[in-house]
Amino acid sequence: AQSVTQLDSHVSVSEGTPVLLRCNYSSSYSPSLFWYVQHPNKGLQLLLKYTSAATLVKGINGFEAEFKKSETSFHLTKPSAHMSDAAEYFCVVSDHSSNTGKLIFGQGTTLQVKP
Amino acid sequence: KAGVTQTPRYLIKTRGQQVTLSCSPISGHRSVSWYQQTPGQGLQFLFEYFSETQRNKGNFPGRFSGRQFSNSRSEMNVSTLELGDSALYLCASSSLTGGGYNSPLHFGNGTRLTVT
Repeated sequence: AQSVTQLDSHVSVSEGTPVLLRCNYSSSYSPSLFWYVQHPNKGLQLLLKYTSAATLVKGINGFEAEFKKSETSFHLTKPSAHMSDAAEYFCVVSDHSSNTGKLIFGQGTTLQVKP
Repeated sequence: KAGVTQTPRYLIKTRGQQVTLSCSPISGHRSVSWYQQTPGQGLQFLFEYFSETQRNKGNFPGRFSGRQFSNSRSEMNVSTLELGDSALYLCASSSLTGGGYNSPLHFGNGTRLTVT
């Protein structure tokens, strides 16, 4: 069975400093991995997706994630945080066993950006 | 292209009542999935519909049901509401079933249901 673990429930950074949100996954298959972001009172927006074509994935708003099979990790990074990045971030794996629109979400990491 | 539209945005209901939530997917998308989001349980999969057929269902009681129409619009219904049903209900659509990397889910802004 697939699962994801987000290692930090809350991360606080200063504006202009790097962001690192950590995610480990467990999957019997070659995983489909995603990062989604949720701003307050909004739905989820897709930041990036791992397609197996490249281990370093570039997403929107300057975010990147690196797939490391040996470490079963898919950490999200951004070189320089902006105030508008404050939100909740979800690491997500697609449930291949059911081959349906079932995503398995991590518990989320709240990113706080201080001025 | 318009995004996923969910109506209403907010609902307040009383225990024991029933409620129907609506979701219009992105034009051309045939798959609609529903998720429940609560502070305690996080995001949990409810069910997915593709071409009017339910393809998968999460671990929720039978009070939670859904359907999809020929135009791909979907509704979910919760009967005999309980306090614990208070949540943000999110709908997502994709062009293909599977939700994999070639068909990621696009989410609406959700319906906030409060049960009193």
